[in-house]
Parts: sequence; structure tokens; C-alpha cells
Amino acid sequence: GAGVSQSPSNKVTEKGKDVELRCDPISGHTALYWYRQSLGQGLEFLIYFQGNSAPDKSGLPSDRFSAERTGGSVSTLTIQRTQQEDSAVYLCASSLWAGLYEQYFGPGTRLTVT
Amino acid sequence: KNEVEQSPQNLTAQEGEFITINCSYSVGISALHWLQQHPGGGIVSLFMLSSGKKKHGRLIATINIQEKHSSLHITASHPRDSAVYICAVRNTGNQFYFGTGTSLTVIP
Repeated sequence: GAGVSQSPSNKVTEKGKDVELRCDPISGHTALYWYRQSLGQGLEFLIYFQGNSAPDKSGLPSDRFSAERTGGSVSTLTIQRTQQEDSAVYLCASSLWAGLYEQYFGPGTRLTVT
Repeated sequence: KNEVEQSPQNLTAQEGEFITINCSYSVGISALHWLQQHPGGGIVSLFMLSSGKKKHGRLIATINIQEKHSSLHITASHPRDSAVYICAVRNTGNQFYFGTGTSLTVIP
């Protein structure tokens, strides 16, 4: 079956512009996670959804970051007024349910802010 | 202060060697994950542990909840095992904390 997909795979944007990153989870997976991996740094947890709700948004780096999920499926991560430090690979993962279930990762979106 | 510490940061082994990667954490957890990331590739979840030991093929993961420590072992290592191995812990609020990864190179 289809895995987690993300689009675009690469995005180059100018500083100050807004960007939207999309994640399509595995069908039937109710939990969806967003992570960031900056160059030379480790993975950073951003936010997770159980269904359409995000119980905790404290992992988002700043108020320029927002995420939503509608219909319990596709999620978008929006970064407003992008800064160079936002350059990273943004990874999405899904699992059957939030909790003790395996996560399946998407290929990521490489964001470069110039 | 990192909630998750991994060691070693880098590891080079000869094909066939037994490999151990260690992970220590400082937060209360509901589960610990071991992830594998190949160069230029995506991330694959290898194990999710809340207690004891799990085995998949040549890979073994153990966790000691009292000592807040986990190990990932690779038996009969092979060049295709070359990757970055990442330890991640999930707290009871479903937030994740990641180690910085162990870069493994297995030489033929």
C-alpha cells in the first residue's frame, strides 16, 4: 500500500515569504507527526495530531509556524515570514494511533530559505 | 541539557563485527524508539520498546527502565547496515525527544 507522502519534495523560497508543506498519511492512520531536521543537527519534534486535534503545540519553534489537519487525513504545516534558520528537512510520520504504535515516515520536504 | 544522549557519535566496524549503540535518557517515558536513516534516504522505525527486549533479524534492542538506558545491537554487521541510528523517547504527553544519532560505517 501507499506510504506517507509529502509535497513538495524540495522548496526554495525567499526570506519573508510564506510556505505550505503538505503531508498525506497512510490511509487509516489517525495520528500524524511533524518533525524538523536541520543540517548537522538532530531531529526536532514539532507537533502531533490525533485525528484533527493537536493536543500540544508547544514544540512549534515560533508563532510563525502553524499546522492543521482536516478530515483526519491530510495535514499542512505553514511557515509565515520564513527566515534562513527555517531551512531544514521537514518530516512527517503517521501511525495507527498516537501512543504505542510504530510510526511510518515520509520522505521529507527540503526547505531552503534564501 | 539533552534529554537523550547517544554514544558513540561515530562508529566504524569491520564486516561481521558485533555492534552496540547506547542511549540514555533523563525524562519519564512511555516508549523508546530506534530509528535508522540512510545517507540521503528516509527514516525507518526499527523498534519501539516500553520494556524488555525485541529482536528483528540481526538487530536486537533492549531497554532498562529503572536505569533509563537502552541499547541497540547489530550482530554479524554488514556494509548495508551503514546508516545513522537515532534513539528517540516519547513522554507520556506524546512529545518526542531525539538523540543526535550514531553514524555507523561498516567496512567490507
